[in-house]
Amino acid sequence: KAGVTQTPRYLIKTRGQQVTLSCSPISGHRSVSWYQQTPGQGLQFLFEYFSETQRNKGNFPGRFSGRQFSNSRSEMNVSTLELGDSALYLCASSQNAGGETQYFGPGTRLLVL
Amino acid sequence: GESVGLHLPTLSVQEGDNSIINCAYSNSASDYFIWYKQESGKGPQFIIDIRSNMDKRQGQRVTVLLNKTVKHLSLQIAATQPGDSAVYFCAESSNTGKLIFGQGTTLQVKP
Repeated sequence: KAGVTQTPRYLIKTRGQQVTLSCSPISGHRSVSWYQQTPGQGLQFLFEYFSETQRNKGNFPGRFSGRQFSNSRSEMNVSTLELGDSALYLCASSQNAGGETQYFGPGTRLLVL
Repeated sequence: GESVGLHLPTLSVQEGDNSIINCAYSNSASDYFIWYKQESGKGPQFIIDIRSNMDKRQGQRVTVLLNKTVKHLSLQIAATQPGDSAVYFCAESSNTGKLIFGQGTTLQVKP
């Protein structure tokens, strides 16, 4: 079974731009969560989607948003990029929502200049 | 508040020795704990998990121990190999899709 895939793998943007990242979960998995990883803050939860609905949201500004499609694929969007948004963005999927094993993709490395 | 911490940022072991990586958690409502391994340039890879109704779980060369009394989690790796070199994260969850991660321990395996 194919793992979690994320596109693109690398991205360079400038301040003020917006970006959309994509995640395809493991086949059959209906829950997708997003995390931001930085050297200073570590791995931080952004949000979780299940059945096209956001179930949980982390402590990030409204510039960070996401959505999930009927095929469980998910996208996250960051608007008005800031230098501090440079990070590895990780997507994880699980079969169902809440308290299940999450399997991570390789991440999208975003650099904001 | 919620936090998951690891006791040591770096652990250096000799190839063939056993490794023990420790983690303390603070949310007594957490009922699910996971260990992940992250190699450079890759996403976290699931190693082993344990639920709060257990105190020990074994996998292939790995064992996770959970002590709910002192809110402590550990990962034991038997016969550590060079391929085990990575950053190890513990994470906790309380029946939500939100994982709270510790800061990570870098395991260095010396040949």
